[in-house]
Amino acid sequence: KNEVEQSPQNLTAQEGEFITINCSYSVGISALHWLQQHPGGGIVSLFMLSSGKKKHGRLIATINIQEKHSSLHITASHPRDSAVYICASSGEGNTGKLIFGQGTTLQVKP
Amino acid sequence: DAMVIQNPRYQVTQFGKPVTLSCSQTLNHNVMYWYQQKSSQAPKLLFHYYDKDFNNEADTPDNFQSRRPNTSFCFLDIRSPGLGDAAMYLCATSRDDHSTDTQYFGPGTRLTVL
Repeated sequence: KNEVEQSPQNLTAQEGEFITINCSYSVGISALHWLQQHPGGGIVSLFMLSSGKKKHGRLIATINIQEKHSSLHITASHPRDSAVYICASSGEGNTGKLIFGQGTTLQVKP
Repeated sequence: DAMVIQNPRYQVTQFGKPVTLSCSQTLNHNVMYWYQQKSSQAPKLLFHYYDKDFNNEADTPDNFQSRRPNTSFCFLDIRSPGLGDAAMYLCATSRDDHSTDTQYFGPGTRLTVL
């Protein structure tokens, strides 16, 4: 069982829909990262969360430390949001090593 | 703009022929990482450098080596590529190696092994 689990694995939405991607982790962490990867492209770091909630434009990320759960929300989705969204945990202590989830492939149709 | 650059973006090599992938950064970060990402899989950390200190992951094959001649550059050497080494290779940097440091990724090099 992967230490970081994402759901759903694949998601198709219509433009304008509100989207939620979920991430659960099984071990204690220091931070939870949300990353975006476009087809054939590199990875962009969207958020790094230790607690609470962060917002950047149409993207919102939340984390519940007690429940070991994080969500990434996209409001007013757009076809350019189509990408793979990856959550990754970094563990307690002085280590930057990331444990990656399997990713959620999002397609937003016009 | 400060960034992480990988060259080449696409690399084709023959089975068993050594290949070197390059990563450079203008962020002046202490840490540089190399990841392997196979199709539809999550990235897998191969190794990382904290400054000049090399940290190898336990399950990284000996076929994979790395060099960091200075702060800006880091190389991934694959001594004898096999068909199973075909993948996207991602370089990333972070200011420090604490768990709350953001990693900045390069665009990746897609390696094809014939």
